[in-house]
Formats: sequence, structure tokens, C-alpha cells
Amino acid sequence: DQQVKQNSPSLSVQEGRISILNCDYTNSMFDYFLWYKKYPAEGPTFLISISSIKDKNEDGRFTVFLNKSAKHLSLHIVPSQPGDSAVYFCAASRETSGSRLTFGEGTQLTVNP
Amino acid sequence: GAVVSQHPSRVICKSGTSVKIECRSLDFQATTMFWYRQFPKQSLMLMATSNEGSKATYEQGVEKDKFLINHASLTLSTLTVTSAHPEDSSFYICSASRETDTQYFGPGTRLTVL
Repeated sequence: DQQVKQNSPSLSVQEGRISILNCDYTNSMFDYFLWYKKYPAEGPTFLISISSIKDKNEDGRFTVFLNKSAKHLSLHIVPSQPGDSAVYFCAASRETSGSRLTFGEGTQLTVNP
Repeated sequence: GAVVSQHPSRVICKSGTSVKIECRSLDFQATTMFWYRQFPKQSLMLMATSNEGSKATYEQGVEKDKFLINHASLTLSTLTVTSAHPEDSSFYICSASRETDTQYFGPGTRLTVL
């Protein structure tokens, strides 16, 4: 039972353009969502999070949008840079502290120069 | 801040042997540590959650006698894969968090069982 799903295994965008990574969840008890970035043979690095009481959180080039009614969240990266190329995981938790995370399968983002 | 290290980064062992992986929070005290495993092109799957000084809580389907977790201090947790078999070959990642903080991940350990 995959409670967090990232339906696009890969995404390729041009440098300077916007990257949009999507994530869907099924468990309505989730109330805290996070995005992590992962390079090969490394652990995930925290990027940005959002609580269910918000619908948008912005940090520099990264913005996360949450649509609770659709159980959908997305990560926007603008402008995209080649260094952003990595696997992006969305994760969800039932607790605001972010403990006990359920991860999606990940999306490989490639930003072409 | 919030740096988590893992040792070793890579280990190759023979089938039937035990392997210990260490996870350390270098610049903060972690009240909770988590252990995940990741198969190629798949998601990170939570194996267990451990709090300092208490027994680990294992996820459904994870054998606690095979994957021994010890959380001896607020900065160190260990995962021992006992009697390892080729199907245990995977990427094992730990994470650590403070009381009401997000999880910070270690760099992972690649285990290959021959």
C-alpha cells in the first residue's frame, strides 16, 4: 500500500526554466509534508516542508504547494539550475515534528545546461 | 549544523556473517533515530524507530532479531544485520531528529552480501 506516490519517475527541464515535481498521498491523517533531495550514494537532504494548515511555503527558489482536498502537493524550482539535478523525494508524516516519515518513490530531475 | 554521519560507507561481507553500522549525530543530541533501507530505484522504507535508552519500534515485516538496533546514547545508534544473506544487500540510511525537528539523514551505507 503505497500511501505516498510520485507518479513521474523522471523529469527533464532546461536550465532557467521551472521544474515542477508532483506528489500524491492517500492517507488523510498526514498533516506534515516534506521534500528531500538525494544524490547517488548519499542520504537525502531536507529541502522544504509544509504543514497542512498552509497551502504554500516558499524558500528561495523552492516553493511547495499543498492542495489538501486533492491530496496533492508539488515542488516548484525556479529558475532550475544544473546543480539541482538529483532525485527528489516527497515525504509525509502524521506528526508536525516530521517523525515517522512515509516516502514516495522519488523523481529523478535532470536540468540540462 | 545538524550533521549525521554513518560508518562504514560501504561494506562487503560473506553470507552468514554479521555487520554493524553506526549512525552518529555530530553536532546535536538526537532524541530519536530512524533506520531506513532503500532498494535500487525504490523509495526509502522505514525499518525501525529508536529512542535513546529504550527498545526500538520495528515496522511491520521487519525482523527485530535479524536487524538489531541499539541506541546507546543521544548521539549514537547502531544497526546490526545478523547472519546476513544476499537478499539483505541494500542501501541502509539512518536519520536523527531532535524533539520537534525534522529528520536529518546520514550519507548511507551500501551493504553487499556475497
